[in-house]
Amino acid sequence: AQSVTQPDIHITVSEGASLELRCNYSYGATPYLFWYVQSPGQGLQLLLKYFSGDTLVQGIKGFEAEFKRSQSSFNLRKPSVHWSDAAEYFCAVVIPQAGNNRKLIWGLGTSLAVNP
Amino acid sequence: GAGVSQSPSNKVTEKGKDVELRCDPISGHTALYWYRQRLGQGLEFLIYFQGNSAPDKSGLPSDRFSAERTGESVSTLTIQRTQQEDSAVYLCASSHNTEAFFGQGTRLTVV
Repeated sequence: AQSVTQPDIHITVSEGASLELRCNYSYGATPYLFWYVQSPGQGLQLLLKYFSGDTLVQGIKGFEAEFKRSQSSFNLRKPSVHWSDAAEYFCAVVIPQAGNNRKLIWGLGTSLAVNP
Repeated sequence: GAGVSQSPSNKVTEKGKDVELRCDPISGHTALYWYRQRLGQGLEFLIYFQGNSAPDKSGLPSDRFSAERTGESVSTLTIQRTQQEDSAVYLCASSHNTEAFFGQGTRLTVV
């Protein structure tokens, strides 16, 4: 079955430390890949996306993600975390369906806490 | 419009009453999704509309939940005989084949 897995439910890091949030997908080909962030009380905001080409993509707020086909992964990284990065992070994929349809499938999210 | 619009933004209802939530997608977006997000939880898929295809209703939790969309326009999510466990934020997103754009959600509280 097509699915997205975010293995880490909660992560706590210290401000200034590096961050990596994991995302794995289950699909036979390469889907479109996304990371979204949901800050407390806020809506969902797109951080970055991968469709094709360079497997390292840059996003907003200093985030980047690397697509690794061999591992079916699209991990999100940031070299130095800021307190304002505390939020819920969601990985998502768009997978082609019958006809010209595409379906969005979500991971369950990783909650990031940042210690001062 | 410029973005996905949901109304109302907040709804408090008595247990047993019916509620209707509305989503105005971005013009031209063929796909529309409804999600439920309970406090501190992830996105729970409810239903997916794609153009004129039959909707994917596989995420609807019970027959009290239903949704409609006419063409590529407004969608309404209806919850009949609301229960306290229906309390959540209901998010709508629209998409044209790739990334999804979310509305701000409707916070439903059943008392």
